[in-house]
Amino acid sequence: ELKVEQNPLFLSMQEGKNYTIYCNYSTTSDRLYWYRQDPGKSLESLFVLLSNGAVKQEGRLMASLDTKARLSTLHITAAVHDLSATYFCAVGNQFYFGTGTSLTVIP
Amino acid sequence: EPEVTQTPSHQVTQMGQEVILRCVPISNHLYFYWYRQILGQKVEFLVSFYNNEISEKSEIFDDQFSVERPDGSNFTLKIRSTKLEDSAMYFCASSPTGGAVREQFFGPGTRLTVL
Repeated sequence: ELKVEQNPLFLSMQEGKNYTIYCNYSTTSDRLYWYRQDPGKSLESLFVLLSNGAVKQEGRLMASLDTKARLSTLHITAAVHDLSATYFCAVGNQFYFGTGTSLTVIP
Repeated sequence: EPEVTQTPSHQVTQMGQEVILRCVPISNHLYFYWYRQILGQKVEFLVSFYNNEISEKSEIFDDQFSVERPDGSNFTLKIRSTKLEDSAMYFCASSPTGGAVREQFFGPGTRLTVL
């Protein structure tokens, strides 16, 4: 079974700051997904990354994939309160999920 | 804006009973998925479905589980004999494409409580 680790598990950051969430996985895969989940809500697809070196950006979020290092990053630029949520990565055809990173942006 | 819907929002059942969770995917979507999330824990993939067949399934998706698209609009998840550990939030998702691009649209979820 493919193992997926995210860190940090909890992240508290001030508005306006930058930070990066990491997603490491144990075996080769050519696809990686990022999702957002607000408390008590469903999931929202953020990014699909399909190849080594892929980079996608949407607003203050940018995701990248390094398949050789088996690593994806989700970079947050100039955080705002609305970004507070739990962020999950998932890997492979069977969508192995990471444990999630709970992000709180403090004014 | 089209959205994925799920019914019921909350289902309570006794251990050993059968339950059917219903989903109506977005109408022109081709790929369908079920996930579950035990309270406070990570999301777990159950199954993906395309062209009236299961395309991927996880180890969780054993003989107690089945999926069906009975009428071209609904997509159902059946649990034949529920266990206490099946208590979770179940999310349905659909996608207009599979293969290389899989942006998924999720329903609001069904909370299943097994007593």
